[in-house]
Amino acid sequence: GQNIDQPTEMTATEGAIVQINCTYQTSGFNGLFWYQQHAGEAPTFLSYNVLDGLEEKGRFSSFLSRSKGYSYLLLKELQMKDSASYLCAVRRTGGFKTIFGAGTRLFVKA
Amino acid sequence: DTEVTQTPKHLVMGMTNKKSLKCEQHMGHRAMYWYKQKAKKPPELMFVYSYEKLSINESVPSRFSPECPNSSLLNLHLHALQPEDSALYLCASSPVLAGSTGELFFGEGSRLTVL
Repeated sequence: GQNIDQPTEMTATEGAIVQINCTYQTSGFNGLFWYQQHAGEAPTFLSYNVLDGLEEKGRFSSFLSRSKGYSYLLLKELQMKDSASYLCAVRRTGGFKTIFGAGTRLFVKA
Repeated sequence: DTEVTQTPKHLVMGMTNKKSLKCEQHMGHRAMYWYKQKAKKPPELMFVYSYEKLSINESVPSRFSPECPNSSLLNLHLHALQPEDSALYLCASSPVLAGSTGELFFGEGSRLTVL
């Protein structure tokens, strides 16, 4: 089976830093992805972790601890356009099965 | 070309109609996917094709019939759908090369309404 948990909603202020957590349970872990989805649009890829540690990409960083089944997405210098849903997704071994968490809706306020 | 193109963008159909959703990519990706997404819910995996062969069917009702005619095209044939099948249908593709992240590239989706 597979279970992915994220907070439903978060609110943060423009210019601030926000951390969105994701915990997962899966048999056969083969990578964790973060996607951004604006309302009415398709998800777009943000980051990928398969080994423990931090991956940094501009204003976005993602962290993974496989032993804890835990990841977070860190967004720095928040902008209004960062208001979107952030989806944590886990890929299983042995194929191409990528399953999404329910997503965290982030509201950035001025 | 880094796009996944889906047509039509919007589709309204009756419960007795037969229609098809189409998806095309020219990135050389050999894995293609159909996901279904309801409002304020995450995408739910329906089907995966790998090298033009169906590799995953997530127990999807037979009124949804996928087809992969070649490595660039993916279709979803719809027949005798129910109103609860109304949703955004997302096509995605991913590379399968060793060393790639295997990230999903999504199309804009086809918004389906079943009356």
